[in-house]
Amino acid sequence: GQQVMQIPQYQHVQEGEDFTTYCNSSTTLSNIQWYKQRPGGHPVFLIQLVKSGEVKKQKRLTFQFGEAKKNSSLHITATQTTDVGTYFCAGGDYKLSFGAGTTVTVRA
Amino acid sequence: KAGVTQTPRYLIKTRGQQVTLSCSPISGHRSVSWYQQTPGQGLQFLFEYFSETQRNKGNFPGRFSGRQFSNSRSEMNVSTLELGDSALYLCASSLGGLGETQYFGPGTRLLVL
Repeated sequence: GQQVMQIPQYQHVQEGEDFTTYCNSSTTLSNIQWYKQRPGGHPVFLIQLVKSGEVKKQKRLTFQFGEAKKNSSLHITATQTTDVGTYFCAGGDYKLSFGAGTTVTVRA
Repeated sequence: KAGVTQTPRYLIKTRGQQVTLSCSPISGHRSVSWYQQTPGQGLQFLFEYFSETQRNKGNFPGRFSGRQFSNSRSEMNVSTLELGDSALYLCASSLGGLGETQYFGPGTRLLVL
């Protein structure tokens, strides 16, 4: 069945640095969604990518959908303490598969 | 609009008991999905209901069941609880289904002793 793999599992970032988390699927995805879950909270929708090669930006966050629609990335520039949390990617039409998430901690 | 609500927020049960969790979706949303979240397994899809019908199902045993009412509210039932069922159970609603933005509720944290 469809699997969505996400790396790295943990990301420890110095405040002000950039980092990227990657999402890979074993099958072609019609779309990919990204969510953020703050510690003790629930996943909150960030963005959805649909088109091959699509790039979308939200302030310091840049999301990209691969040309083959089998991978995606989230790049955060100038990390802030507010970026702490777990970032999930999810794909699938009939059975939404979530990646294991990248848990981000920030060193001030 | 009010967000997705889940009750109860916390629950403690013992092995062998059964439990029913409730989810009220955002008004107008017809799709409700349930997920189990554990530290070791991440977010695992349980099932999705749309217009009172189970439309999609994950790989969970038959002890996990659900239903959806005509007002789109949904319940999830777990029978014969096991220690491994301890988890955060999240429900999410959307307008039309899994290919759309999922709006998650705060979850029900279940502890099985």
